[in-house]
Amino acid sequence: GQNIDQPTEMTATEGAIVQINCTYQTSGFNGLFWYQQHAGEAPTFLSYNVLDGLEEKGRFSSFLSRSKGYSYLLLKELQMKDSASYLCAAMDSNYQLIWGAGTKLIIKP
Amino acid sequence: GAVVSQHPSWVICKSGTSVKIECRSLDFQATTMFWYRQFPKQSLMLMATSNEGSKATYEQGVEKDKFLINHASLTLSTLTVTSAHPEDSSFYICSARATGEAISPLHFGNGTRLTVT
Repeated sequence: GQNIDQPTEMTATEGAIVQINCTYQTSGFNGLFWYQQHAGEAPTFLSYNVLDGLEEKGRFSSFLSRSKGYSYLLLKELQMKDSASYLCAAMDSNYQLIWGAGTKLIIKP
Repeated sequence: GAVVSQHPSWVICKSGTSVKIECRSLDFQATTMFWYRQFPKQSLMLMATSNEGSKATYEQGVEKDKFLINHASLTLSTLTVTSAHPEDSSFYICSARATGEAISPLHFGNGTRLTVT
């Protein structure tokens, strides 16, 4: 079956760095997406990886290892506004997104 | 950037009534739109895939006669919750992908919070 695993909740300190991991199992693979979702709002797109390696975009970076079925989202210089849920989603061979349950990130001063 | 407009943002209705939610892609054409439901503290659950000019594809366990989907144009899909009940209270979110771009980020509407009393 198809499955996405990510931690339910993480806590980090303002100004620090946090890494949110995601493992996936899909029928075929067409890339891995990360979305940010603030409470009561719709998700917003953060990053997309389809090749192995690190994609950097400002304070946020995303890494993919296709052989390991593994990705992580790295957030640097954490700000209070980064408190949100982070959703990992893998696209299968039918271009369908398989969503993880999301990781709630709590930032403390 | 690609914008998806969803309306209304929130709605309160009485049990037994129907509610229509609209999802529009404002600056791109979307052959395919997706309808999600999200209960508090849970992840997105795909309800159905809406295809322009054809019938929607519903996920297992989603009643197609209760959640009516119409995708009459390349920029508009509607979800109608018929005979709503309190257990239908949830956050409904639509998303769209630009036509011809199978591998591209989904653009989400701002969601509709439905409360059935």
